Amino acid sequence: GNSVTQMEGPVTLSEEAFLTINCTYTATGYPSLFWYVQYPGEGLQLLLKATKADDKGSNKGFEATYRKETTSFHLEKGSVQVSDSAVYFCALSDAFSNDYKLSFGAGTTVTVRA
Amino acid sequence: DVKVTQSSRYLVKRTGEKVFLECVQDMDHENMFWYRQDPGLGLRLIYFSYDVKMKEKGDIPEGYSVSREKKERFSLILESASTNQTSMYLCASRSHPQGSNQPQHFGDGTRLSIL
Repeated sequence: GNSVTQMEGPVTLSEEAFLTINCTYTATGYPSLFWYVQYPGEGLQLLLKATKADDKGSNKGFEATYRKETTSFHLEKGSVQVSDSAVYFCALSDAFSNDYKLSFGAGTTVTVRA
Repeated sequence: DVKVTQSSRYLVKRTGEKVFLECVQDMDHENMFWYRQDPGLGLRLIYFSYDVKMKEKGDIPEGYSVSREKKERFSLILESASTNQTSMYLCASRSHPQGSNQPQHFGDGTRLSIL
């Protein structure tokens, strides 16, 4: 079956530090990969996505590259701000298995201090 | 922008009550989903719906049912609420039944407390 493993938090950083959140996946077919972000007290928002190998998703200074050879989709940002404090979820959906469900990682809580 | 609206942000109910959580989306999406989110467990899928009047069990359907009488509305029902159903509930929708590369769009969530 499909599954997503992401690094456990919490992660605490200083402003302007470099952020990496590791995400690896297992899928039976050809998954699409997503990063969602959840700010305190809110629902999940799509941060970025990639639908095939070597695609790079980017948004708000965040980037992630779909690496089929390492089954990874690590999230990176070069210089974080306090406003990036949130919970980040890696997720996949798999067209090959004709399954409409998203498989989520457990989430990584990121706190950025001024 | 897609708008997914959940009827309540916070809700307090008593054990044994029948509880309705409502979700409405404004983009004519075919697929709709209900999740619960608990600390340390991430998001778990309760039920989903491919289209009007269709429903499928997710990973944790026990104690819940759903209704989708209109395309824009997907209701989650707790038949007899119990304290272990205290949680954050998230609704989501997605366009195109063939498009699993389409993202799901989430509401702001309902924080439900069962006393």
